[in-house]
Amino acid sequence: DGGITQSPKYLFRKEGQNVTLSCEQNLNHDAMYWYRQDPGQGLRLIYYSQIVNDFQKGDIAEGYSVSREKKESFPLTVTSAQKNPTAFYLCASSITLVSNQPQHFGDGTRLSIL
Amino acid sequence: AQTVTQSQPEMSVQEAETVTLSCTYDTSESNYYLFWYKQPPSRQMILVIRQEAYKQQNATENRFSVNFQKAAKSFSLKISDSQLGDTAMYFCAFMTSKGGGSQGNLIFGKGTKLSVKP
Repeated sequence: DGGITQSPKYLFRKEGQNVTLSCEQNLNHDAMYWYRQDPGQGLRLIYYSQIVNDFQKGDIAEGYSVSREKKESFPLTVTSAQKNPTAFYLCASSITLVSNQPQHFGDGTRLSIL
Repeated sequence: AQTVTQSQPEMSVQEAETVTLSCTYDTSESNYYLFWYKQPPSRQMILVIRQEAYKQQNATENRFSVNFQKAAKSFSLKISDSQLGDTAMYFCAFMTSKGGGSQGNLIFGKGTKLSVKP
């Protein structure tokens, strides 16, 4: 079945450490997104990519980095510069970046600080 | 800037009854898209229903329907014949149809926690 796979499901970060969250999709979608969800909050956009080798900052990109070397993959790195990384991270994809295309979401990764 | 407001942090409904979740939004644009997403305890975000602002007809998907009032900037979700599996967080979301840096950005409300009671 086609879908979006995020790994790991749970991740722990030590102070000063960079960690990378994986997101893979086999839906043949061009556009991919990373969102952050905090308790009692909606989702906020971190980064998005409309095509391979291209990505744009969202509303809360500071302390995060991404790459898009393959169409299927859009990994997110949470750097040591992100001082409050504890959150639930959701990856999504859509056929294109055009607005009327719904976004499909993965199951998420919960990141915590040790 | 666009904003999305869900004024009901929590709601409950008896199984088989009908419930309506509220959502209002603020935008100066005339064309845009609205969505309702469901997030069950498993945390996966599932698209429930979507509405194009240029369409006057309210969208319907089985037991789920919306009441889209463009002038009032209101987009409520009605769930009929509620089922235990409908228990989840429900998020209203807005997306601009304009290009440029805002394209692709889903703006979410803070969510409504719905509990369906047996």
